[in-house]
Amino acid sequence: EAQVTQNPRYLITVTGKKLTVTCSQNMNHEYMSWYRQDPGLGLRQIYYSMNVEVTDKGDVPEGYKVSRKEKRNFPLILESPSPNQTSLYFCASSSSTNEKLFFGSGTQLSVL
Amino acid sequence: ILNVEQSPQSLHVQEGDSTNFTCSFPSSNFYALHWYRWETAKSPEALFVMTLNGDEKKKGRISATLNTKEGYSYLYIKGSQPEDSATYLCAFWTYIPTFGRGTSLIVHP
Repeated sequence: EAQVTQNPRYLITVTGKKLTVTCSQNMNHEYMSWYRQDPGLGLRQIYYSMNVEVTDKGDVPEGYKVSRKEKRNFPLILESPSPNQTSLYFCASSSSTNEKLFFGSGTQLSVL
Repeated sequence: ILNVEQSPQSLHVQEGDSTNFTCSFPSSNFYALHWYRWETAKSPEALFVMTLNGDEKKKGRISATLNTKEGYSYLYIKGSQPEDSATYLCAFWTYIPTFGRGTSLIVHP
């Protein structure tokens, strides 16, 4: 089954404790991206990747890192999480820019 | 950051009503306009990908139109059903997507 697998679904952590949210797709998609969803705001792009070893900042990259060492994986890293990073996060992929996005199941992150 | 506006912010209708909402976007540097349906506790799912001015797409009771010259797209739902209740997102693509804040639709039985 074609899918984007994102883990974990829920995560509670404390300020400053490094964490990684994983994202993997099995559709051989070139384009992968991370978004955060906050109440009253639309989905905002954090980082995106057009292909292996190619990553770029989105609209809200501060406090996040990503890597794209393999085509299928695009982890989101928070080196030193802060409470303002408490949010709902989605990973998404598509075959190319402009093509429809396939979303992961989301990660609800709480930073205390 | 590009300005992508969706209206109304929320909408309550009765089962059987037809409804429509709007997505407004910049009319320059247009690549594509996407519509997504996002049900509570689930992930957004693509409804339509629209790329050409004048495009019209249809999927069952849901249809969409696109006007790139004036910078808007309409999403129509004919004969709304309770299962249509969801947030409908549009995404304006230049090189990367910019999402609107969505229209929350609640269909009452």
